[in-house]
Amino acid sequence: AQSVAQPEDQVNVAEGNPLTVKCTYSVSGNPYLFWYVQYPNRGLQFLLKYITGDNLVKGSYGFEAEFNKSQTSFHLKKPSALVSDSALYFCAGADWGNQGGKLIFGQGTELSVKP
Amino acid sequence: GAVVSQHPSWVICKSGTSVKIECRSLDFQATTMFWYRQFPKQSLMLMATSNEGSKATYEQGVEKDKFLINHASLTLSTLTVTSAHPEDSSFYICSAIAGQNNREAQYFGPGTRLTVL
Repeated sequence: AQSVAQPEDQVNVAEGNPLTVKCTYSVSGNPYLFWYVQYPNRGLQFLLKYITGDNLVKGSYGFEAEFNKSQTSFHLKKPSALVSDSALYFCAGADWGNQGGKLIFGQGTELSVKP
Repeated sequence: GAVVSQHPSWVICKSGTSVKIECRSLDFQATTMFWYRQFPKQSLMLMATSNEGSKATYEQGVEKDKFLINHASLTLSTLTVTSAHPEDSSFYICSAIAGQNNREAQYFGPGTRLTVL
């Protein structure tokens, strides 16, 4: 079965420190991977995606993610966290060949950045 | 670009009534839209895939007669929760894929908070 996992329910980081939000996937075929951020009572905002090409993907607001095929991971990173980065982060994946655009979401990781 | 709106942003209704939620792609055409529901502090659960001009495809366990989806144009999909009950209270979010290439990212609406009394 296809799945996306975010092993941490919550990540706490001090402002200015680097942050990592972890994501692993089990998607058959060629995986397409995405990161989204959700602020309270809001929809999801697209951060970045990996479809093909360079394993390091740069996205919005200074975030980046590295696709690692051998470890089946797609961790989200930022060199220097901001308090305003505090939100709920979702990793999502799809196998477009079989899923027809359907995304499989991880369970979400709550990021808390303290001043 | 790639803005998706939802209306209303929140709604409170009595048990037994029907509620319609609209999802619009404001600056692009969306052949495919998706409807999700989300419980507090939980992930998104895909309810159905809505394709313009055809019947929606529902996920297993989602009652198609209860959650009516209509995708009448390339910029509008509606979800009607019929005979709503308190257990239908949730955060409903739609998303749309810009254009025909479904390898693009989904763009999400801001969500609709439904509370059924």
